Amino acid sequence: QQQVKQSPQSLIVQKGGIPIINCAYENTAFDYFPWYQQFPGKGPALLIAIRPDVSEKKEGRFTISFNKSAKQFSLHIMDSQPGDSATYFCAARGGRGSYIPTFGRGTSLIVHP
Amino acid sequence: DAGITQSPRHKVTETGTPVTLRCHQTENHRYMYWYRQDPGHGLRLIHYSYGVKDTDKGEVSDGYSVSRSKTEDFLLTLESATSSQTSVYFCASTSGDSNQPQHFGDGTRLSIL
Repeated sequence: QQQVKQSPQSLIVQKGGIPIINCAYENTAFDYFPWYQQFPGKGPALLIAIRPDVSEKKEGRFTISFNKSAKQFSLHIMDSQPGDSATYFCAARGGRGSYIPTFGRGTSLIVHP
Repeated sequence: DAGITQSPRHKVTETGTPVTLRCHQTENHRYMYWYRQDPGHGLRLIHYSYGVKDTDKGEVSDGYSVSRSKTEDFLLTLESATSSQTSVYFCASTSGDSNQPQHFGDGTRLSIL
């Protein structure tokens, strides 16, 4: 059972475009939602994270939008650059004492110059 | 950033041989994890540890065992490697504090012929 569904699986945009990656979850006990960025040959690294008590969080060109009632959250990349080409994973973790995050299956993003 | 190193970074071996992958972290993190990453499947949890000598199974634990004799080291063993275990393996760790993400190593690419 996949508890975090991520879409799309792949995404191609032109430089300056705004790619959007969506994730939906089922477990209402989740209370921490990180996004990870992974470059080829490297491990995933934290990009930005949000808690359900806020609806939006921005860090530079990266924004998370969170809809608690719909149990959905999304990553927006403003003014995308070729250097943003990577695989992006959403994740969810939560419930008291739970330290086992559930990951989406990833989105491969290509930003053309 | 958390210091996590994995060794070896690459390994080619034959079916039926035992294989041990090592993960070493320098952050004194309580929790450590082993994942495998395969196309279309994202990150799948193999085993995790919540303290020295305290480990538990993840979603794809069959054919794998782990050991944690020190806080900083988490070993993954394939007792008798099979071709289906060809994958990229990632180790991660976290303190377990709220708002603290996992920190990943750069992976081990394992090929079983």
